[in-house]
Amino acid sequence: DAKTTQPNSMESNEEEPVHLPCNHSTISGTDYIHWYRQLPSQGPEYVIHGLTSNVNNRMASLAIAEDRKSSTLILHRATLRDAAVYYCILSGRAGNKLTFGGGTRVLVKP
Amino acid sequence: DSGVTQTPKHLITATGQRVTLRCSPRSGDLSVYWYQQSLDQGLQFLIQYYNGEERAKGNILERFSAQQFPDLHSELNLSSLELGDSALYFCASSVADRARYEQYFGPGTRLTVT
Repeated sequence: DAKTTQPNSMESNEEEPVHLPCNHSTISGTDYIHWYRQLPSQGPEYVIHGLTSNVNNRMASLAIAEDRKSSTLILHRATLRDAAVYYCILSGRAGNKLTFGGGTRVLVKP
Repeated sequence: DSGVTQTPKHLITATGQRVTLRCSPRSGDLSVYWYQQSLDQGLQFLIQYYNGEERAKGNILERFSAQQFPDLHSELNLSSLELGDSALYFCASSVADRARYEQYFGPGTRLTVT
């Protein structure tokens, strides 16, 4: 499975945007880029995913580089509830099992 | 609420015992996945079923087995339990087994082996 690289942690102030980077230089043409998050004491939660084009949903936006070797998850206005570990995952081979790395721990300060 | 249910929520048992964890997927989802989350290994994929058939296997021990029933619920069986099996076990479901479909996770079963 292609690997992703994320910063270990990031801090943000409440109501400010958060940009979470992810590098995936060995991505293949059929790999989707998925983002999940895990709030404390909960199961992982789907955030967004995309293949080539930028994607928006009610939770976040996903900006994908033209060469697809990196992507950025954008939380437009962070709230305290957005404090979680965010995982960037590539999925495309052998069905869509998710291979979780260490993720980025996001701290939101009031 | 993801729509995925898992029972029991907590399970405490002794080494050498056998337990069964149960998962009901979201209505309409055909694919079920099992993941293990421990402090030292993080979140790891164990096994996937699609419409009753095993579709993919991850780092699942031989002491562990799973199945998906005709009503699409799934069970994960853990036997000859060891202290190291203590972990959170998550079930997830998706409508199909293609990479473009998102997975929805249940609240997990916390297993403690003493």
